[in-house]
Amino acid sequence: AQRVTQPEKLLSVFKGAPVELKCNYSYSGSPELFWYVQYSRQRLQLLLRHISRESIKGFTADLNKGETSFHLKKPFAQEEDSAMYYCALLGETSGSRLTFGEGTQLTVNP
Amino acid sequence: SQTIHQWPATLVQPVGSPLSLECTVEGTSNPNLYWYRQAAGRGLQLLFYSVGIGQISSEVPQNLSASRPQDRQFILSSKKLLLSDSGFYLCAWSTDTYSGIPFTAYFGAGTRLSVL
Repeated sequence: AQRVTQPEKLLSVFKGAPVELKCNYSYSGSPELFWYVQYSRQRLQLLLRHISRESIKGFTADLNKGETSFHLKKPFAQEEDSAMYYCALLGETSGSRLTFGEGTQLTVNP
Repeated sequence: SQTIHQWPATLVQPVGSPLSLECTVEGTSNPNLYWYRQAAGRGLQLLFYSVGIGQISSEVPQNLSASRPQDRQFILSSKKLLLSDSGFYLCAWSTDTYSGIPFTAYFGAGTRLSVL
C-alpha cells in the first residue's frame, strides 16, 4: 500500500524564520515524490518534484529513503509563502495512482 | 496549451438526489484523469482515476461512481446523495507515466458540493 503522512495540519512561523513541512511516506518500491501548493483562491499546483532536485521559490526537498521522508524546507519564510501544502506520491508499480497527504496549512506572520 | 474545465463551481443538492459533475481537458490526448475530494483535516482523498476510455479505478467504496465516455471527459456521479458526500471535489489530469515527460498533475478549479 502507498501512503503519505503529513503530521502537522497547521504550521505558523514568523517572516524570515526557517520553515520545514514534514512528509513521511510508506511504499515498498521506489516512489516519485512531489510537493503541491494551493494559494488562497488559486488552483492546486505543482511546487517541486524530488527527481528534479530543484529549488523553487526558495523551497527545497530531499528524498530520504532511509527515513522514508520528503520534508519541504525554506531557510527564510516570506508572507507570500502562506498557503496549503500537500505532499504527494506516485508509485513506480502503481501506474498513474497519485496519492496525497492530509496537507499542512502554513501561515507566515509579519 | 492544455486546460482543464470543471463544472459547476458550486452545487447545493438535497439528500437523495442524483449528482453529475463533469470535467473536460483540452489540448492533450489520452490523459490520465482523476477525481479527488478535499476535506478539511483529511487532505486530498483519491476517489477515482482513469488511464483510458472506460478504464476506471475506484479507490474508496462509496456512494459515488465515475465514468469516462470520451478520451478527455471524466464524470463523477451518484444516484442518491448522502449528507456525507458534501465536500470540495477536484478533477485533475496528468501525462502518461510512460510518456517520457516528467509526471505532473494539473488541477481544475473544483466544485463545492453541499448536500442538505
